[in-house]
Amino acid sequence: GAGVSQSPRYKVTKRGQDVTLRCDPISSHATLYWYQQALGQGPEFLTYFNYEAQPDKSGLPSDRFSAERPEGSISTLTIQRTEQRDSAMYRCASSLEPYGGGEQFFGPGTRLTVL
Amino acid sequence: AQSVTQLDSQVPVFEEAPVELRCNYSSSVSVYLFWYVQYPNQGLQLLLKYLSGSTLVESINGFEAEFNKSQTSFHLRKPSVHISDTAEYFCAVALRGNQGGKLIFGQGTELSVKP
Repeated sequence: GAGVSQSPRYKVTKRGQDVTLRCDPISSHATLYWYQQALGQGPEFLTYFNYEAQPDKSGLPSDRFSAERPEGSISTLTIQRTEQRDSAMYRCASSLEPYGGGEQFFGPGTRLTVL
Repeated sequence: AQSVTQLDSQVPVFEEAPVELRCNYSSSVSVYLFWYVQYPNQGLQLLLKYLSGSTLVESINGFEAEFNKSQTSFHLRKPSVHISDTAEYFCAVALRGNQGGKLIFGQGTELSVKP
């Protein structure tokens, strides 16, 4: 596609519910990143994919968080049994390759609120 | 471990005045350096980056940043700001080498340009 898209843009859920966030990267991009951004903070790395492989999930805060990219394009981030501390902006980015000097293209983000 | 510190959370400035947004980083290994910008209601986008070579890098809209290795800084400057520069600015680093390209962000600086 023309840019990175994320859905939904806003999600309000109750504590204990599961949520799934979606990211559709730029079509030619091999690499996809997920970041979590709390209010007043910078984005923090969660995990990344190179095609369908997930080489690094060191930033996932607990085993309630998981991500998939089964066909190497669209990715989902699932949070099980949500807690209030999960409330944040979740940002997805894609890049041509997993190279530190490359530009990452960000989507608009999903604002998650857990009540 | 790597960390990025942006020393000012908010910077108010009048139109046509100069501005400097400060960024310091800490890393035991070599890094690439970035400034990303988020305009209201948009995703983050790359403003400029330092990979190697000349320590002074420029953006197309008049911003510049200088890599200072001895002070581990990458401050962002513009000699004369416009109303349209109002945005949140994030400094970030990424590890050199085959590390996947994840970005480590600072907390962000909100630049508010007043007429």
